[in-house]
This record gives sequence, C-alpha cells and structure tokens, in this order.
Amino acid sequence: ELKVEQNPLFLSMQEGKNYTIYCNYSTTSDRLYWYRQDPGKSLESLFVLLSNGAVKQEGRLMASLDTKARLSTLHITAAVHDLSATYFCAVDYNNNDMRFGAGTRLTVKP
Amino acid sequence: DTEVTQTPKHLVMGMTNKKSLKCEQHMGHRAMYWYKQKAKKPPELMFVYSYEKLSINESVPSRFSPECPNSSLLNLHLHALQPEDSALYLCASSQDKGGAQQETQYFGPGTRLLVL
Repeated sequence: ELKVEQNPLFLSMQEGKNYTIYCNYSTTSDRLYWYRQDPGKSLESLFVLLSNGAVKQEGRLMASLDTKARLSTLHITAAVHDLSATYFCAVDYNNNDMRFGAGTRLTVKP
Repeated sequence: DTEVTQTPKHLVMGMTNKKSLKCEQHMGHRAMYWYKQKAKKPPELMFVYSYEKLSINESVPSRFSPECPNSSLLNLHLHALQPEDSALYLCASSQDKGGAQQETQYFGPGTRLLVL
C-alpha cells in the first residue's frame, strides 16, 4: 500500500526566510500534487507534477519531483505571513485514487 | 467556471436521521470524489465515480451511500451515522483521461457534519 510521508509536520518560519518541505512516497507514481488548506477552508490546488524532473514555480513557492527518489519538494522563498497555511502533498496511487501526506502546518511570523 | 459547489455548508443530525449531501460541478469533469477529513488530518478518499460509474469504494461503511445521478451531480446519502462520523466532507472533481496526464482535483468548500 502506498505511504506518503511529509516532513516537517510543523514549521514556524520568520518572514523573509527560505525553507523546504519534503514529501516521500513508497511506490512508483509519476503524478504528484501540492495543495494548500487554510483553517476551516477547502483545499486549493497549487501544483501538478506529472513527470520526473518536473519543476513548477508560482510566486514564492517552487515544487519539484524526482520520481526515481520518490521525492517531491516544496520550496518557500522569502516567506511572508500570507503563506501561513497547511500544505499537503498527494500522490496518484491508482488512477484517481489519490493519497495525501499528513500535511505540513506552516506559520510565518513577522 | 472552476467551481465545485456543496450543500449544505453545515449539517447537524441525530444517529437515527437520514440526510443527503450534494455536490455539483459544471466544468465537464467526468470524475467525481467524496473525501472525509477529520480535524488536523489529511483528506481520506471514500468514493470515486468515473463517467458516472462507481470505480473506487475505499471500504466505507454502508451507512454512507454515494449516488451519481448525472455527470454534474454527486450525492452522499447518510443513514444511521455514528458520532465518530462527524467530520468535514469534501467533494472534488477532475478530468478523467483514462489515466494519462491526470489533472488536479478541484475541491468544493465542504460540508461540516456533526452527528449527535
């Protein structure tokens, strides 16, 4: 069975700093997704990574995928308070069967 | 229009009640999903409909009964729920291209369910 592990689970950052969230998964898949969830809200799609070596950037966030290492990263550059949220990675396990990591709760402090 | 709508937003029900959650999308997506999310946990997949046929049922208790009347609508019928079923129920949809280049799932705002 697919396992999706995120770390860290909790991340407290100062504004302006950089950090990386890691997502490891246990079985072969070349489809990985990153979502953001604000407290009490639904999930917002951030990135879709569909091939080995894929890299996507949006604003201060950049996501990458290494299917050989079964690893995706979400890099935060010069964090701002508005990025405070929970970030989930998710792996497509078996055509539409998507499994989520536990989530990384990010807090960006002034 | 990239919106998935869900009704109701909040629902309180007793253990003997029957209720239904509704989900609608008009993006032409052919895959629709139900997830359950407990507080501070990731979403857990419950059901997947692909082209209006149930394709994945993740060993969900029979007190949850999904229905897909057409390609735009998805229902979740609830009966004889337990207090531990209290959670946020999220609906999502996506294009279903037979496995190739699977796109992201678009999530609705959710129904927050409390079972007393």
